[in-house]
Amino acid sequence: SAVISQKPSRDICQRGTSLTIQCQVDSQVTMMFWYRQQPGQSLTLIATANQGSEATYESGFVIDKFPISRPNLTFSTLTVSNMSPEDSSIYLCSVEAGGGGNEQFFGPGTRLTVL
Amino acid sequence: AQSVTQPDIHITVSEGASLELRCNYSYGATPYLFWYVQSPGQGLQLLLKYFSGDTLVQGIKGFEAEFKRSQSSFNLRKPSVHWSDAAEYFCAVVASGGSYIPTFGRGTSLIVHP
Repeated sequence: SAVISQKPSRDICQRGTSLTIQCQVDSQVTMMFWYRQQPGQSLTLIATANQGSEATYESGFVIDKFPISRPNLTFSTLTVSNMSPEDSSIYLCSVEAGGGGNEQFFGPGTRLTVL
Repeated sequence: AQSVTQPDIHITVSEGASLELRCNYSYGATPYLFWYVQSPGQGLQLLLKYFSGDTLVQGIKGFEAEFKRSQSSFNLRKPSVHWSDAAEYFCAVVASGGSYIPTFGRGTSLIVHP
């Protein structure tokens, strides 16, 4: 298993500002994932982050809005840029369990409110 | 592409009663199937998973799920619900032999009455 921590756990931000969310894993992993969970909704994958390469973004998400860094095998950041109230969501990072299990371990999430 | 349907947005049960949460999937072959639970303010925790073999799988916290190929279903069950089971439950599917990225259902919110 993997233990994942996220910072901050929650934040309230003003429209037009940016917030960087950190994700730390207690073991080295190849793939890290960033999800958005809008109020009352399911999880939507934003992007997949590999160490040493550009993140791969899902349809509807762009790098200018959600830049991602992956400087090493245990850490990643997601920035939510030029925020609007529509960006109010829970943002979760996850890692694949490995060993062909296909399940994912999730961080506790960052609850973002944009005013 | 695969998809997941959780037809119940909310389920309310009394503590001690049995529980069944429904999940239907759409995929051309047998997928990998998962149930996750999200307690308030927490991330998702894996309850159980199905890859192949025995269609009745046991998970943590007394949960089980049964894969029924003929119905494209993977319903989650628990014989006696505890108040601490109140949470959001997500069914997820991963295409076997394809992308490892899960597709999640919309979630079912479980409310437990004392």
